[in-house]
Amino acid sequence: DGGITQSPKYLFRKEGQNVTLSCEQNLNHDAMYWYRQDPGQGLRLIYYSQIVNDFQKGDIAEGYSVSREKKESFPLTVTSAQKNPTAFYLCASSPGGTDTQYFGPGTRLTVL
Amino acid sequence: AQSVTQPDIHITVSEGASLELRCNYSYGATPYLFWYVQSPGQGLQLLLKYFSGDTLVQGIKGFEAEFKRSQSSFNLRKPSVHWSDAAEYFCAVAPAGNNRKLIWGLGTSLAVNP
Repeated sequence: DGGITQSPKYLFRKEGQNVTLSCEQNLNHDAMYWYRQDPGQGLRLIYYSQIVNDFQKGDIAEGYSVSREKKESFPLTVTSAQKNPTAFYLCASSPGGTDTQYFGPGTRLTVL
Repeated sequence: AQSVTQPDIHITVSEGASLELRCNYSYGATPYLFWYVQSPGQGLQLLLKYFSGDTLVQGIKGFEAEFKRSQSSFNLRKPSVHWSDAAEYFCAVAPAGNNRKLIWGLGTSLAVNP
């Protein structure tokens, strides 16, 4: 089945540690996105990538990093510089040339 | 600045009742418009979208939405709500032809009474 997978579903880390969230899609979509979701704040864009080996900062990129070495993969690293990393992280992808984004199931990160 | 407003943070309806969730946007031209639904702890699922053409759009799960240019609105409706419709609903807007940065509303939480 085609879709977007995010792993793991739940992730726990100690404060000060970097952590990488996985996002894989087999939809052959060109564009991929990372969002952060906090209660009452809706979705906020962290990074997005329109093509392999290229990505742009979203609205809240500080403390995060990404890579896009393969079309199907867009991992997000939450660094120790992120002040409040505990949140629900959503990955999305969209076909090139359209505006419809499709979402993965999300990863809930808890930093202790 | 472009923005999306969902005026209702939380709505409660009885099962079988009709539903309307409001979405207003601020944008100079006609944007692309979307409604997504999110169940607790899950990702977002696309309900429907409007790009152009007929202003009444049909989506999945019996939902529809109507684009009203004069009111800058894209309200979501369902004639008879089921208990399984309880979820968070998000309206989103993209400048036409530019999907780089969707602009999101803060969501409306729907509760359904049996």
